[in-house]
Amino acid sequence: ETGVTQTPRHLVMGMTNKKSLKCEQHLGHNAMYWYKQSAKKPLELMFVYSLEERVENNSVPSRFSPECPNSSHLFLHLHTLQPEDSALYLCASSQDVAGSFSTNEKLFFGSGTQLSVL
Amino acid sequence: LAKTTQPISMDSYEGQEVNITCSHNNIATNDYITWYQQFPSQGPRFIIQGYKTKVTNEVASLFIPADRKSSTLSLPRVSLSDTAVYYCLVGDIGGYGGSQGNLIFGKGTKLSVKP
Repeated sequence: ETGVTQTPRHLVMGMTNKKSLKCEQHLGHNAMYWYKQSAKKPLELMFVYSLEERVENNSVPSRFSPECPNSSHLFLHLHTLQPEDSALYLCASSQDVAGSFSTNEKLFFGSGTQLSVL
Repeated sequence: LAKTTQPISMDSYEGQEVNITCSHNNIATNDYITWYQQFPSQGPRFIIQGYKTKVTNEVASLFIPADRKSSTLSLPRVSLSDTAVYYCLVGDIGGYGGSQGNLIFGKGTKLSVKP
């Protein structure tokens, strides 16, 4: 148990569906992240949030829409996805934003949502 | 952006010590070195972090030479359950949206432990 919980664990959706991924952290952290991991590819950083403010968007298509209502919750809203978006979506948190003036932040990951787009 | 280089894969047998080396020639003065472990269909898990010399915890040891241009993760007496991908990350200083070295995962090293 890492203190980061993601739901659902598995999700199958059609290309016209709208769905949302949820992440909750119980660690009192200030920063949260979304990563995408496609089969046999490295993890790709998608979004970075610090105290509910988005501080990074790594050229992610607009069909992925993040939302961070408070520092404990992070959502990823999905709409009109493509089959190539099928992947493991991972949420992570850290005490403060890694990569800023703090290079010793440790990331705590959830178990991920395995997404299949048909 | 500090770039890291690791072997793509390694094989070992149960009970052996495994050493995985990561090269980071462009490491900056204030950068830390962090290692993660990832099992299939799970998120990476923090293993160990260091700045210089040697760090040891209940899971692994991390050796960092004086020039800090490389680091070696040492796993003592591996078991089958240590089969996983191991990532080496090095941080950068750059402010928000600047450099994200310690958020960037490369391909890692896939360690296979055999009976």
